[in-house]
Amino acid sequence: DVKVTQSSRYLVKRTGEKVFLECVQDMDHENMFWYRQDPGLGLRLIYFSYDVKMKEKGDIPEGYSVSREKKERFSLILESASTNQTSMYLCASTSFQGSNQPQHFGDGTRLSIL
Amino acid sequence: KQEVTQIPAALSVPEGENLVLNCSFTDSAIYNLQWFRQDPGKGLTSLLLIQSSQREQTSGRLNASLDKSSGRSTLYIAASQPGDSATYLCAVRAIQGAQKLVFGQGTRLTINP
Repeated sequence: DVKVTQSSRYLVKRTGEKVFLECVQDMDHENMFWYRQDPGLGLRLIYFSYDVKMKEKGDIPEGYSVSREKKERFSLILESASTNQTSMYLCASTSFQGSNQPQHFGDGTRLSIL
Repeated sequence: KQEVTQIPAALSVPEGENLVLNCSFTDSAIYNLQWFRQDPGKGLTSLLLIQSSQREQTSGRLNASLDKSSGRSTLYIAASQPGDSATYLCAVRAIQGAQKLVFGQGTRLTINP
């Protein structure tokens, strides 16, 4: 079974802090994704990565950056956290092979910015 | 722009009933459609993936159908159990937009003992 692990289930940070959310997958997947989930807005894609050191903006990249130095690890960075970034953050991965591979998700990180 | 809609937003049924959850999408140019389950405060668990060339997929008590031309999918749950209570999300992978998934808002399902 695919295992996508997010480093923290709950995180509380202060406005202006630099925040790192980490995600690791164990299936040698090429593609990794960061989403945020908010009530009434559903899941929205922040950034994704096709391979090491490659990244693409999703629908809501403002205020975020990402890092993919190793294939198994994809980090989401909040450069200067703000209260409107309080949300549930979900990481996902999928194989590049073919177009019909399911996305597998981690358990999520619930981030509160005070 | 692809939009995905799930109706109803919430559904409550007694244990043992068969039920259907609905998902509609506006652009039929998709690679696949995926159904997920989400328990409160948790991540998403993939249930079924239907490729655009397929009509249905089955896993245990779950059956998902896809009518790409009409932009609809259904998730059928047979003999519902209290453990099926969760939010069910559908998502489409559009041909335009690389690997991106577009999600519906979900249907919150409650199975009453």
